[in-house]
Amino acid sequence: AQKITQTQPGMFVQEKEAVTLDCTYDTSDQSYGLFWYKQPSSGEMIFLIYQGSYDEQNATEGRYSLNFQKARKSANLVISASQLGDSAMYFCAMREGVSSGSARQLTFGSGTQLTVLP
Amino acid sequence: KAGVTQTPRYLIKTRGQQVTLSCSPISGHRSVSWYQQTPGQGLQFLFEYFSETQRNKGNFPGRFSGRQFSNSRSEMNVSTLELGDSALYLCASSLLWTGTSRGNTEAFFGQGTRLTVV
Repeated sequence: AQKITQTQPGMFVQEKEAVTLDCTYDTSDQSYGLFWYKQPSSGEMIFLIYQGSYDEQNATEGRYSLNFQKARKSANLVISASQLGDSAMYFCAMREGVSSGSARQLTFGSGTQLTVLP
Repeated sequence: KAGVTQTPRYLIKTRGQQVTLSCSPISGHRSVSWYQQTPGQGLQFLFEYFSETQRNKGNFPGRFSGRQFSNSRSEMNVSTLELGDSALYLCASSLLWTGTSRGNTEAFFGQGTRLTVV
């Protein structure tokens, strides 16, 4: 089974509007972290936002917020007030771990290509 | 504070050759992990090093190997290159490799090395 599922291969949004990128995950661990990265055409993976499995509040970083629904195992990224520079590939990732042990590698979804229209 | 540096940025090699890629993590970070990104397979984990020891390995053939030096810099080597090894190779550095708190395991990526095998 896929550990991270991103069901939207491509999304379009009008400049200045908000957009939600979907991400669902699968894990039996109680302790894990969820990440969103942005990858522009240059290739670098840029960290956007992090949500820990025990965090009670949804994470926010500027125009980015994470809609974390633990029971549904979803971690959707919300970008408010989209800008042309937001056009890029967006990846959801998970790092599983045991609180007293070792963390495992980041597992990535297949990504969503976001295009912001002027 | 300098980010993650990967060298070289671009590389063209012939089938059967070998290649070595380098990654210098963020100062103070002791964990380095490597990922392969291809259009068909997406982002796949190769291996992770911490304190000069390989802590975790992905499902890749033995032609893929790596090491980490005492200054945390890491190299990965691919021997007997195949056409399918053409990919973007991304390196990520983290403060630690255990636990799931953001501060410990947030991964910062370099710009990647784009390898083309002809």
